[in-house]
Amino acid sequence: AQKVTQAQTEISVVEKEDVTLDCVYETRDTTYYLFWYKQPPSGELVFLIRRNSFDEQNEISGRYSWNFQKSTSSFNFTITASQVVDSAVYFCALSEASDDYKLSFGAGTTVTVRA
Amino acid sequence: NAGVTQTPKFRVLKTGQSMTLLCAQDMNHEYMYWYRQDPGMGLRLIHYSVGEGTTAKGEVPDGYNVSRLKKQNFLLGLESAAPSQTSVYFCASSWEGVDTQYFGPGTRLTVL
Repeated sequence: AQKVTQAQTEISVVEKEDVTLDCVYETRDTTYYLFWYKQPPSGELVFLIRRNSFDEQNEISGRYSWNFQKSTSSFNFTITASQVVDSAVYFCALSEASDDYKLSFGAGTTVTVRA
Repeated sequence: NAGVTQTPKFRVLKTGQSMTLLCAQDMNHEYMYWYRQDPGMGLRLIHYSVGEGTTAKGEVPDGYNVSRLKKQNFLLGLESAAPSQTSVYFCASSWEGVDTQYFGPGTRLTVL
């Protein structure tokens, strides 16, 4: 069964629009971590954020913000005032204590920001 | 620091050929991982290592072997390549299993 679901396959926006990427996870563990990675067209994987299951505080980093809601098992990612450089594939991932903290990735969401 | 490096960046093989992908990290990380990335499927774990001399199977280990003879290196081997192994391969490393994994630039492998 898929542990991480990113229902949006592709999102296309015009520059300066906000875009929200959904991530829903499934786990029975009480201790787990959630991650977001960015994969730009150049292909490398860039770490964006790591959040543990005991910290539901939302986080903001520049134009990026993350909303963690345990009640709905979601860890959504918003890019505010998008820019062309935000065009990339974004992956959400889960690591669980019961699985030796191995990463389970979602299928990814491709974001295209048009000028 | 170079971080995580992978060799080679690209490779084309014929069915049945063998090859080894090299991953090196200079962060003194204990844990190292090999993933494959296929369209629409995210990344899937092939094998991983929790320290020098150790290896363990991940989600999709069949057709691959690994070795971790030195702490900084993690080798991924394909003994008899198949077209189904056409993929982009990523190596990653972390201090411990619970820590953030940092990825190499990837190797694009095509098996004809």
